[in-house]
Amino acid sequence: GAVVSQHPSRVICKSGTSVKIECRSLDFQATTMFWYRQFPKKSLMLMATSNEGSKATYEQGVEKDKFLINHASLTLSTLTVTSAHPEDSSFYICSARSSGGQETQYFGPGTRLLVL
Amino acid sequence: DAKTTQPPSMDCAEGRAANLPCNHSTISGNEYVYWYRQIHSQGPQYIIHGLKNNETNEMASLIITEDRKSSTLILPHATLRDTAVYYCIVRRRTSYDKVIFGPGTSLSVIP
Repeated sequence: GAVVSQHPSRVICKSGTSVKIECRSLDFQATTMFWYRQFPKKSLMLMATSNEGSKATYEQGVEKDKFLINHASLTLSTLTVTSAHPEDSSFYICSARSSGGQETQYFGPGTRLLVL
Repeated sequence: DAKTTQPPSMDCAEGRAANLPCNHSTISGNEYVYWYRQIHSQGPQYIIHGLKNNETNEMASLIITEDRKSSTLILPHATLRDTAVYYCIVRRRTSYDKVIFGPGTSLSVIP
């Protein structure tokens, strides 16, 4: 299957700082990328969908000013958690899909964020 | 997208076939059945998908009933590394559709 990478794999930051997570599709062009978060022992929750070159669409209850998403190229999307608080500590997972939705959605390995 | 129902947990003996069921009784004609799995602390891994015919790949087989209201994922010879949460997802293959996860089935492969 297609490969999606994330960086960093884990990050610890102080409360009030911002953290950027990168998601890359390594062997295909991702017209659409998705960001999920997952709390311990829970399922993945979709946060937002982004299409290359356009603004992200956020799911209900997700603050767009808190979670900034930039899908600047067909192989890179970034999620910035702004002014992080301890409750933002979670497992963040990106996903990518090529073409017009006909293709399978592939997932990155995840980024574990701990806010102190 | 149609909703799916899966048992919360299952056990399987190592070396035996693991059969994971999924109900999707409200599936519509243009919706596909997808299976992913998530090993602890990793991102979800794509396993297989199908529309109405049975499918097989190097990882698993997918059996879809004729009325498409349910399906079964089969891992033919389960190993300890197959211990994971398995998600059955139904979605159309359009640019508007995305993978929405339910609680899945936690499969434990026992030595």
